[in-house]
Amino acid sequence: KQEVTQIPAALSVPEGENLVLNCSFTDSAIYNLQWFRQDPGKGLTSLLLIQSSQREQTSGRLNASLDKSSGRSTLYIAASQPGDSATYLCAVSDMEYGNKLVFGAGTILRVKS
Amino acid sequence: SAVISQKPSRDICQRGTSLTIQCQVDSQVTMMFWYRQQPGQSLTLIATANQGSEATYESGFVIDKFPISRPNLTFSTLTVSNMSPEDSSIYLCSVEGGRGIEAFFGQGTRLTVV
Repeated sequence: KQEVTQIPAALSVPEGENLVLNCSFTDSAIYNLQWFRQDPGKGLTSLLLIQSSQREQTSGRLNASLDKSSGRSTLYIAASQPGDSATYLCAVSDMEYGNKLVFGAGTILRVKS
Repeated sequence: SAVISQKPSRDICQRGTSLTIQCQVDSQVTMMFWYRQQPGQSLTLIATANQGSEATYESGFVIDKFPISRPNLTFSTLTVSNMSPEDSSIYLCSVEGGRGIEAFFGQGTRLTVV
């Protein structure tokens, strides 16, 4: 059964710092990995989607990498801003699980001004 | 991308009552998904809703408690029945995802049962 783990569970950094969020998964048989952002009490906003054949994706200050063989992904946020404060979730589309996503528990990020 | 409208955005309900959550998508989609997010937890899939067929429920979730309708390719509803305080959660609908397709989510329904 696929399990997704995110480290750290919480992170507090000063504004302007570059930071890395980690995501690991136990079964490398995935279709894709997706990073989401969730503001308190709200829904999920898709940030980046990495297909299983890709190594990384970039969008603005965000860069996500994928090492499928080792079961790892990282989300790199450059020059962090207070508006980046949110919970970041990663999810994998597991081949055995069909169209469904398996989520990690998330990393709560606070960027202090 | 898909735009998903979910309502209500929040509600406070009395125990023993039922609440129906609506999810409207701006394009036709084959599969829609309903998730629950309990306080401080990550997302747990409740069921998958395909148009024209009964929803498929995940382990631990039953149709009597969470009946789902999917009358067409752009709309679905989830009902939380006979609510108790343990049902207090954020409920989210999602479309597609999996097999290389990006998943999109509604803004969620924050349910509090008192």
